[in-house]
Amino acid sequence: GNSVTQMEGPVTLSEEAFLTINCTYTATGYPSLFWYVQYPGEGLQLLLKATKADDKGSNKGFEATYRKETTSFHLEKGSVQVSDSAVYFCALSDQIKAAGNKLTFGGGTRVLVKP
Amino acid sequence: ETGVTQTPRHLVMGMTNKKSLKCEQHLGHNAMYWYKQSAKKPLELMFVYNFKEQTENNSVPSRFSPECPNSSHLFLHLHTLQPEDSALYLCASSQGVRQPQHFGDGTRLSIL
Repeated sequence: GNSVTQMEGPVTLSEEAFLTINCTYTATGYPSLFWYVQYPGEGLQLLLKATKADDKGSNKGFEATYRKETTSFHLEKGSVQVSDSAVYFCALSDQIKAAGNKLTFGGGTRVLVKP
Repeated sequence: ETGVTQTPRHLVMGMTNKKSLKCEQHLGHNAMYWYKQSAKKPLELMFVYNFKEQTENNSVPSRFSPECPNSSHLFLHLHTLQPEDSALYLCASSQGVRQPQHFGDGTRLSIL
């Protein structure tokens, strides 16, 4: 079956530091890949996505590139802010029926940015 | 405003109570999902509905009973829950193949 593995946290950084969260996956076919972010007390928000190999998703200074050869989708941000403190989830999609899709999530990585 | 609204945001109930969680999506999507998020455990998919039909039930105990009267509304009926059912319950919706899911802010459930 499909699976997503991401680095365990917590990751603690100082403001303006460089952030990388590793994500690797196993899947049949050609899944779409996503990063979600969950701020305290809230649900998951889509951060960025990529639908095919070599696509780069980007949003709010975050980037991730769909690497089929290494089955990876690492999340990066060049200069983090305190407001980036959250839990980040890597996920892939898999078609289950003609409509809708099933997401397989990684375990989440908690990021804490200190002033 | 996420487009997916869940009520109530917090719920405390005894093990013998019956309550329901509600989810409404305003995005015109045709698939809806229930997830359970517990501390120190991965996000668990519970149920999937496509066009009001249940297409997935991930071995969820029968004390959780979903209902999807139309493509915009999803309920989770709860009865005789156990303390280990305390968690954040998230609803999501999506449209189409390989499209992202949009989540509500969840219901924080505590079982006494």
